[in-house]
Amino acid sequence: DGGITQSPKYLFRKEGQNVTLSCEQNLNHDAMYWYRQDPGQGLRLIYYSQIVNDFQKGDIAEGYSVSREKKESFPLTVTSAQKNPTAFYLCASTVSGRNNEQFFGPGTRLTVL
Amino acid sequence: KNEVEQSPQNLTAQEGEFITINCSYSVGISALHWLQQHPGGGIVSLFMLSSGKKKHGRLIATINIQEKHSSLHITASHPRDSAVYICAALGGADGLTFGKGTHLIIQP
Repeated sequence: DGGITQSPKYLFRKEGQNVTLSCEQNLNHDAMYWYRQDPGQGLRLIYYSQIVNDFQKGDIAEGYSVSREKKESFPLTVTSAQKNPTAFYLCASTVSGRNNEQFFGPGTRLTVL
Repeated sequence: KNEVEQSPQNLTAQEGEFITINCSYSVGISALHWLQQHPGGGIVSLFMLSSGKKKHGRLIATINIQEKHSSLHITASHPRDSAVYICAALGGADGLTFGKGTHLIIQP
């Protein structure tokens, strides 16, 4: 079945540690996105990538980093510079560009202890 | 930047009731996306529409481009419809702008 997978579902980290969230898609989509969701707020864009080896900052990129070495994979690293990293993180993809229907992964809930 | 407002924020109804969730946006868009988020957190795309009306089962989505407004209707609501419903405006350099969601609970 085609889809987007994110791992792990739940992640705990100690303050000051970097952590990497995985996102893989087998939809053959060119574009991939990372969003952050906080209670009572809409999803906010962290980073997006429209093509392999290229990515752009979204609205809240500070404290995060990404890579796009393969079309299928778009990992997100939450660095120790992110002041408030506890949140729900969603990965999404589109066939191409930002103005197409987005398909979402199941999400990763990150808790900083 | 586009502003997307949803109403109501929370809605509790009895099984069988007709449900309406509203979404308004401030800037012209190419399309509007309705999404459903279940308690586990995963998001499913329900509709993407740029004009008129779309129907899928008991779900109906409408959009009025001139009034910058869209509605999501659920007929014969059921407890399994309980979820957060999110609208997202699609267009321009901003890509998707999301509303904060409507938390729907359908009681048996």
